[in-house]
Amino acid sequence: DAGVTQSPTHLIKTRGQQVTLRCSPKSGHDTVSWYQQALGQGPQFIFQYYEEEERQRGNFPDRFSGHQFPNYSSELNVNALLLGDSALYLCASSKGTGGKQPQHFGDGTRLSIL
Amino acid sequence: GENVEQHPSTLSVQEGDSAVIKCTYSDSASNYFPWYKQELGKRPQLIIDIRSNVGEKKDQRIAVTLNKTAKHFSLHITETQPEDSAVYFCAAITGGGNKLTFGTGTQLKVEL
Repeated sequence: DAGVTQSPTHLIKTRGQQVTLRCSPKSGHDTVSWYQQALGQGPQFIFQYYEEEERQRGNFPDRFSGHQFPNYSSELNVNALLLGDSALYLCASSKGTGGKQPQHFGDGTRLSIL
Repeated sequence: GENVEQHPSTLSVQEGDSAVIKCTYSDSASNYFPWYKQELGKRPQLIIDIRSNVGEKKDQRIAVTLNKTAKHFSLHITETQPEDSAVYFCAAITGGGNKLTFGTGTQLKVEL
């Protein structure tokens, strides 16, 4: 039973560039949420995708966008990268959007902006 | 508001002792409260969760209690072991849907 998988594991970019991160949910899950975790802090909710639509969004600028595919996998895109975007980006999957559903995390993508 | 406050930020215990981590939340509609353990460089791992219709839940050495009236919940780890050393995050569903708002984390160190 495959868990949540993310790629790439590490990425180095420069300011102003664009990046795409990928996530495959746990088998049986149809909802994908993305979180940003800065060093020494808790994960911050970016947005959530269900049925290929963005269902909820946290307090992140529209430089952060996403997509969900028919197979439930998801991408996170960040444009015009800033130094402050350096963080661990975590994907979590769950079943449905009704709340009270356990969210399981992937290993994350460590993004460094130079 | 959708804040989740967590304390202490660091906790050091002797092996075999108990550890308690406390969280408070502000969203009265919150109805699901998971706890995650994150070892250095690894993913947050769900270790236990509790729903708002339950006051306490146990799983071996780990237990979580919920006081809805006071809007606080706690993680209790008994008979701590060195492998329990990690950062622990509480979280709560906030703002409807299943958006998780996390606490700031507790660095637990279990000393031999």
